[in-house]
Amino acid sequence: KNEVEQSPQNLTAQEGEFITINCSYSVGISALHWLQQHPGGGIVSLFMLSSGKKKHGRLIATINIQEKHSSLHITASHPRDSAVYICAVKSAGNKLTFGGGTRVLVKP
Amino acid sequence: DTAVSQTPKYLVTQMGNDKSIKCEQNLGHDTMYWYKQDSKKFLKIMFSYNNKELIINETVPNRFSPKSPDKAHLNLHINSLELGDSAVYFCASSLGTTNEQFFGPGTRLTVL
Repeated sequence: KNEVEQSPQNLTAQEGEFITINCSYSVGISALHWLQQHPGGGIVSLFMLSSGKKKHGRLIATINIQEKHSSLHITASHPRDSAVYICAVKSAGNKLTFGGGTRVLVKP
Repeated sequence: DTAVSQTPKYLVTQMGNDKSIKCEQNLGHDTMYWYKQDSKKFLKIMFSYNNKELIINETVPNRFSPKSPDKAHLNLHINSLELGDSAVYFCASSLGTTNEQFFGPGTRLTVL
């Protein structure tokens, strides 16, 4: 069992729908990252958070440290949001451990 | 004005060869990383350097040797390439070890 589990593995939504991706982890962490990997392969950091909630445009990330759980929400989804979203946790030794990713497809 | 750059973007080579991948960042960061993304798209940390000092060295075959000539560069040399080394290798950098990381575009290595 991976230390970082994401669900769902794949998600298809219609344009405009609200999307939620979940991340659960089993280790103590100092921070959690959400990354976006574009179809072309490039990786972009979306959020880094250690408590509460962060918002950037249509993206919202939340974390519950006690429950060891984080969610990434996409409001009013758009086809350009189609990508793989990756959760990663920073634990002892400052290393990032990655989830398996959630492949999101938003259809027009 | 690319922030984190890697060369080459694609590398196709025969088993047994030795190859290097270069990474450079112009963000003024002091910490750099190498990650490997396998065929199942799973990312895993390989190495990390902070101020040219190795701080993370995961269970990686010693055929892989990182070298950081200065804070802006972290190169990855691979000896005696094997089929299982085929993957996409990402370089990243950050300011300190606790801030967000910026990723390079990746180098797709194919070993034939």
